[in-house]
Amino acid sequence: ETGVTQSPTHLIKTRGQQVTLRCSSQSGHNTVSWYQQALGQGPQFIFQYYREEENGRGNFPPRFSGLQFPNYSSELNVNALELDDSALYLCASSLGQSGSGNTIYFGEGSWLTVV
Amino acid sequence: KNEVEQSPQNLTAQEGEFITINCSYSVGISALHWLQQHPGGGIVSLFMLSSGKKKHGRLIATINIQEKHSSLHITASHPRDSAVYICAVSHDYKLSFGAGTTVTVRA
Repeated sequence: ETGVTQSPTHLIKTRGQQVTLRCSSQSGHNTVSWYQQALGQGPQFIFQYYREEENGRGNFPPRFSGLQFPNYSSELNVNALELDDSALYLCASSLGQSGSGNTIYFGEGSWLTVV
Repeated sequence: KNEVEQSPQNLTAQEGEFITINCSYSVGISALHWLQQHPGGGIVSLFMLSSGKKKHGRLIATINIQEKHSSLHITASHPRDSAVYICAVSHDYKLSFGAGTTVTVRA
């Protein structure tokens, strides 16, 4: 039990639709980061939010966007879904930025299937 | 070339055997993480290292900063150790991950 919860756990969307994934970080953690993990591969960094501001982004197009709220919970939004967006989406929280060597706590992930 | 490389990609061991997974990285890091992922998807942090060696139960992790290399060892392996083990490095503002090592321990 890491204290990081994600919802929904599984969902199926049609190509072209939009999806919102949610993450509640561990209490007191001010940093949340999102990762995409395709089947059989390691996670890929999407972006990170620190105190409600995006402060780092991986090689993902602008149709991947996010928010962090004052309680440090977060959303990942993906517009114009493509088949290749099918993956496990992982949220992780930490106290301080994930690139700074802080312990990171992961949620169980949201499995997205795009058909 | 990926910033983090792991080997082997897959590993099968008999219960009780000693297991080693290797990780090499090519960037300057503030820390290295060993993570465990079970089939359901959730990831658990096993170790965070910036130097030396750490031990937790039957798991040992070492890192050589000069050589940019880390190893995860599992002593007296057990079927419940079967999982994907992922090496990740903290650098800049993010984590970069290896592709993972799938470990299967047979009874």
